[in-house]
Amino acid sequence: AQKITQTQPGMFVQEKEAVTLDCTYDTSDPSYGLFWYKQPSSGEMIFLIYQGSYDQQNATEGRYSLNFQKARKSANLVISASQLGDSAMYFCAMRGGSEKLVFGKGTKLTVNP
Amino acid sequence: NAGVTQTPKFQVLKTGQSMTLQCAQDMNHEYMSWYRQDPGMGLRLIHYSVGAGITDQGEVPNGYNVSRSTTEDFPLRLLSAAPSQTSVYFCASSQASFTKNIQYFGAGTRLSVL
Repeated sequence: AQKITQTQPGMFVQEKEAVTLDCTYDTSDPSYGLFWYKQPSSGEMIFLIYQGSYDQQNATEGRYSLNFQKARKSANLVISASQLGDSAMYFCAMRGGSEKLVFGKGTKLTVNP
Repeated sequence: NAGVTQTPKFQVLKTGQSMTLQCAQDMNHEYMSWYRQDPGMGLRLIHYSVGAGITDQGEVPNGYNVSRSTTEDFPLRLLSAAPSQTSVYFCASSQASFTKNIQYFGAGTRLSVL
C-alpha cells in the first residue's frame, strides 16, 4: 500500500526567505510519481511540481524545487524567496502502479511580512 | 479553457436525501476520479475510472455510486445522504493512469448534510 506522510501541520516563514516542506512516502512500486499541490484559501487545487522515481535530477519549476532523496523515500518541496501569496495548504501526493493518487494530510504555510 | 467543471458549487441536503454531483472535463482525459476533503484528513479517493464503462473503488467508497458512460462525464451519486458525508468534494482528471500524468482538479463542491 502507498502512504504519504507530511509531519508539519503548520509552518511559518518570513517573506523573501526560503522554506522546506517535508514529505516522506512509502511504496513497493518500482515506478512512481511524486506531486505537490497548493491549495489557497479560495479552495482550488493547483499543481506545482512533479518528480518521477527514475528521474536523475531534482525537479524545478520557477521558485519551486523538489529535493528528492530516493533512498530515504523523501520528496521535500523547497520554495525560494517566499511571497505573501505563497500562504496556503500544500499537499504531497504519490501515484504508483495502483493508478491511484494518494495524498498526505497537508502542511499549512504562513508567510509573514 | 474550461478544464474540469463541477456543479453545483454548494449544496445543502437533509439526511436521507439523494443527489448527484456533476463532473465534466473537456480535455479528452481517460482517467477521472472523485475525492473528498475533510479537515485534517487531506484528500481521500472515493471512486475512480480509467475509461468509459470502467470504474473502481477508492479508499472511502461506501455511500457513493459512480458511472462513466462517456469520456467527458463522471457523476458521483449520494444514495441516502448522511451527516458524515458533509465534506468538500473534488473531481479530477488526467490523460491516463500512468504515474507521471498530472491530475487536474475542479473547483470543488461544498456539501452540507443536516
